[in-house]
Amino acid sequence: EVQLVESGGGLVQPGGSLRLSCTASNFTFSSYSMAWVRQAPGKGLEWIAYISRSTVNIFYADSIKGRFTISRDNAGNSVYLQMNSLRVEDTAVYYCARSPVNSYWLTYYFDSWGEGTLVTVSS
Amino acid sequence: EIVLTQSPGTLSLSPGERATLSCRASQSVIGSYLAWYQQKTGQAPRLLIYGSSSRATGIPDRFSGSGSGTAFTLTISRVEAEDFAVYYCQQYGSSPWTFGQGTKVEIK
Repeated sequence: EVQLVESGGGLVQPGGSLRLSCTASNFTFSSYSMAWVRQAPGKGLEWIAYISRSTVNIFYADSIKGRFTISRDNAGNSVYLQMNSLRVEDTAVYYCARSPVNSYWLTYYFDSWGEGTLVTVSS
Repeated sequence: EIVLTQSPGTLSLSPGERATLSCRASQSVIGSYLAWYQQKTGQAPRLLIYGSSSRATGIPDRFSGSGSGTAFTLTISRVEAEDFAVYYCQQYGSSPWTFGQGTKVEIK
């Protein structure tokens, strides 16, 4: 069974930084793209960052562009989200998600998800 | 940015009834690149459908998806107790990839 385990969430003051980690297991990590999707309390889902298998393609939502950075370590089966200049509106559960790869059609959907880690930005 | 509008906001059904959930896009979804997810309270989302109509691995055949352009539908042929949850659509044909606001399927 595919496993994605997020860590690194917590309480941080506005303007602060956090680094989220996601460790993957039970699949060939380097064969998949990865993404972060967040969900504010009581709200819907918001895709925020994506990284391809070899890191050639990296995409961000406008809401976090310039403040957050996604990266990955294929040897360590991990993906990261460095979050700087955090705002109150960044408060959410952050999910790590796997995105399949296909040569013939777009596959920017998410076929496996972690349980999420809560980030609370508050003074 | 493509805005996805889901309706109804809440669907109240009895087990065994048919559920029809709608997802409308503000502009055409390229390639019918639309996915559906199920999220139960306190849990992560689960992929149900991708490519508008392809079921994900392990998803029961009572779940089906259809549509193209700007109008998409998720149908649950006979709702079971485990299907009561919030359902989200997501388009992935145009960046930024966006989600609908969700439809809650609740027990009547």
